[in-house]
Amino acid sequence: AQSVSQHNHHVILSEAASLELGCNYSYGGTVNLFWYVQYPGQHLQLLLKYFSGDPLVKGIKGFEAEFIKSKFSFNLRKPSVQWSDTAEYFCAVNFYGGSQGNLIFGKGTKLSVKP
Amino acid sequence: NAGVTQTPKFRVLKTGQSMTLLCAQDMNHEYMYWYRQDPGMGLRLIHYSVGEGTTAKGEVPDGYNVSRLKKQNFLLGLESAAPSQTSVYFCASSRRLAAETYEQYFGPGTRLTVT
Repeated sequence: AQSVSQHNHHVILSEAASLELGCNYSYGGTVNLFWYVQYPGQHLQLLLKYFSGDPLVKGIKGFEAEFIKSKFSFNLRKPSVQWSDTAEYFCAVNFYGGSQGNLIFGKGTKLSVKP
Repeated sequence: NAGVTQTPKFRVLKTGQSMTLLCAQDMNHEYMYWYRQDPGMGLRLIHYSVGEGTTAKGEVPDGYNVSRLKKQNFLLGLESAAPSQTSVYFCASSRRLAAETYEQYFGPGTRLTVT
């Protein structure tokens, strides 16, 4: 079955530290890739997306992600986190093959940034 | 544009009661989705619709029914609520940007508690 794995359940960082959150998916075919962020008590917001082209994708709020097809990975990065980045981050994958846009989500990574 | 809206925002039900969650979108999107979010589980697809009058099952459809009588609305029904249905429910809509390429927009969520 198609699946998405996020390696870290909870990450705690100090402000200005660098961030990398891992995401791997199970399927070897063509995919569209997304990272969403959910601030406490709020709904999901799209951070960035990859459909095709340059595998290094830049998103909002200084986030970027790199698609490595050979590793089935789409890791999220930020050079210097802020307290306001405290949130839960979800990786999501749309697998080609009649999915009708359905997304498979990872279980999420909670990021806590200490001021 | 309001985007994707959900009604109600909060609800408490007793076991065995029924209710309907309403999702509305004003972006003229063909595709609509219902997800549930549970702690440590990410988001899981309940049902989806690829157009007015059509619905299909997702990953966790048991105990739910849906209807898409109008293009802009997607209703999620619980006929006999169970405590296991305590969750946060998110609706999303999308359009097809290209073959097999979609981008979903999420509503603010409905927090449902079944006692």
